[in-house]
Amino acid sequence: EAGVAQSPRYKIIEKRQSVAFWCNPISGHATLYWYQQILGQGPKLLIQFQNNGVVDDSQLPKDRFSAERLKGVDSTLKIQPAKLEDSAVYLCASSTRDSPLPETQYFGPGTRLLVL
Amino acid sequence: SQQGEEDPQALSIQEGENATMNCSYKTSINNLQWYRQNSGRGLVHLILIRSNEREKHSGRLRVTLDTSKKSSSLLITASRAADTASYFCATDEDMRFGAGTRLTVKP
Repeated sequence: EAGVAQSPRYKIIEKRQSVAFWCNPISGHATLYWYQQILGQGPKLLIQFQNNGVVDDSQLPKDRFSAERLKGVDSTLKIQPAKLEDSAVYLCASSTRDSPLPETQYFGPGTRLLVL
Repeated sequence: SQQGEEDPQALSIQEGENATMNCSYKTSINNLQWYRQNSGRGLVHLILIRSNEREKHSGRLRVTLDTSKKSSSLLITASRAADTASYFCATDEDMRFGAGTRLTVKP
């Protein structure tokens, strides 16, 4: 089966610009996660969706970050306006209750963002 | 706050040696998972251990879980250069990752 797809793979922008990332989870996976991983640190959960509803967005900086999953399939994460400290890899993951290990997350390759 | 915290932060060993890394967590869990991340890539699920299990094996991996101490360990036996990666633990409670253990296996 196809894995989690993310685009773009790399993005360079200047501070105060806007940027959007796209994620297409594994087909049939109801749960979708966005993580931010700063160099040298572990992934930080930004938001978790169950179908098209938000389960947890407690660590999402809502003044500049937004995410949506309108049809319960693919998702976009937006930063507006970007700051230097947003430079990181943005990882998308998905999971399903139907698998033998429903708690297992499958990760995409990530989008590497550099804010200048 | 982080649920899973790994230690040591970095570990360097020779090929063929065993590598042990530890994870501590704060609250009651149903399961704990270990993931591997090769440089510049996404995380890959390695193994899941449930709260009623004490030990689990998968190939060269052995995971233990001590719920009384709220800790888990991951042992990689007969390490290979390809095992060089960062290793993370996460619990089902909130799937929040620590900083990970950076393992370097020298050929």
